[in-house]
Amino acid sequence: AQTVTQSQPEMSVQEAETVTLSCTYDTSESDYYLFWYKQPPSRQMILVIRQEAYKQQNATENRFSVNFQKAAKSFSLKISDSQLGDAAMYFCAYRSADAGNMLTFGGGTRLMVKP
Amino acid sequence: GAVVSQHPSWVICKSGTSVKIECRSLDFQATTMFWYRQFPKQSLMLMATSNEGSKATYEQGVEKDKFLINHASLTLSTLTVTSAHPEDSSFYICSARDSGTGNSPLHFGNGTRLTVT
Repeated sequence: AQTVTQSQPEMSVQEAETVTLSCTYDTSESDYYLFWYKQPPSRQMILVIRQEAYKQQNATENRFSVNFQKAAKSFSLKISDSQLGDAAMYFCAYRSADAGNMLTFGGGTRLMVKP
Repeated sequence: GAVVSQHPSWVICKSGTSVKIECRSLDFQATTMFWYRQFPKQSLMLMATSNEGSKATYEQGVEKDKFLINHASLTLSTLTVTSAHPEDSSFYICSARDSGTGNSPLHFGNGTRLTVT
């Protein structure tokens, strides 16, 4: 079974600064997807960024980028130019490449942004 | 973009009663939907995988007779919490993937906050 670990229960960043959230996972599969989801106080799950394991290039979405280290099974999220609206719970998630497979979530990291 | 509608968004019920939560894919078809539960300040835990036209697959430790799942059409899955108890109070979230577009990402409903008194 796959497991996803987020070792930072809480992180804090100054507005406009950069912060990196850590995520490691364990799997025996070679083909899979990794995701970062944001969950604001509204509890809505918002997809931030997605990475296909077969792609060596790190995914980027505007201020959000990942550092995907497949051999190390590491998938960190970097948020640049942090904004107050970035404050939320962030969940790292894993999904097998098999169609129909569910997401396995990490324990989450609460990000606080200081003005 | 793809939308998943979950209803109700919150519900309060008395112990012993049953509550039904609906999850609809509004502009796509989903042969598979997933039901998650999230306790306060915790992560999302998969409860079951809902399969259109067949029985749901439950995760270990989830009582299938207590959490009834029905996926009668390609756009609707329902979760019924039967004989609810206060310990069932939680946030329930459904998700679905567009069956017609390969490895598309999961789309989440807005969740249902269940409080059992």
